[in-house]
Amino acid sequence: IAGITQAPTSQILAAGRRMTLRCTQDMRHNAMYWYRQDLGLGLRLIHYSNTAGTTGKGEVPDGYSVSRANTDDFPLTLASAVPSQTSVYFCASSVQRGQEQFFGPGTRLTVL
Amino acid sequence: GNSVTQMEGPVTLSEEAFLTINCTYTATGYPSLFWYVQYPGEGLQLLLKATKADDKGSNKGFEATYRKETTSFHLEKGSVQVSDSAVYFCALSDNQGGKLIFGQGTELSVKP
Repeated sequence: IAGITQAPTSQILAAGRRMTLRCTQDMRHNAMYWYRQDLGLGLRLIHYSNTAGTTGKGEVPDGYSVSRANTDDFPLTLASAVPSQTSVYFCASSVQRGQEQFFGPGTRLTVL
Repeated sequence: GNSVTQMEGPVTLSEEAFLTINCTYTATGYPSLFWYVQYPGEGLQLLLKATKADDKGSNKGFEATYRKETTSFHLEKGSVQVSDSAVYFCALSDNQGGKLIFGQGTELSVKP
C-alpha cells in the first residue's frame, strides 16, 4: 500500500535513553518532514529534508537529529530523551518542497 | 514571520448545521493555503487547498476561498454530519523554504 509508515506506533521511554523513530515512504517523494503535535500548539516542524542527502532545521530542532541517506527513509533520533519530548510525532512527505504534504499515522512517545 | 491563527475550539454543532471555522494568516509574498483534517487516532489528511488569491478550494462539501485583502481562508460547510467530527488545521506554505506553518487546530464535534 502506497504511503508513509511510521514505527513504532507508541513507545514509553525512560529519560536519558536514546530513541529512533522510523519513517518510510514509497511514493518517491523528494521532500520529507518531521513534526511534533502538542495540545494547543498545533504541529511544529522539527527537521526537514528537501532531497536525499540534505537536511535542515525547523522550528524546534533542539534535542533531535535526522538523516536522509536515501529517498525513502527519514529517521528521527532523540539522543538523550527528556520528559518535554513527550508528544505525538508525525512524519510527512511531499513531491517537492512547498507542495501538499502527506502524513504518516504518527508515533506517540512518552518520556518518563 | 509567517503565522496562522485559527478560531479556538472546541466547536459543537448539531447535525445539518452550517459550519464556519475562521483562519487568518500573516505572510510575505503569496503563500499557498491548506486545510488539513485529523480524525481521532489518525494522521493529518489534506482536505483542500488554494494556491493564489481568489481561488476556492473544495472537497467533501467543504469550501474555503483565498482572500488576500483580508488575509483569510475560512473553512465552510453547509450541512455538517457526525462523521465530520475531527480536528481541522489551517496551514500556509512558506514560499521561501517550502515548509508548512500550521494553526493550532480547531476541534469540531457534531452531535446527532
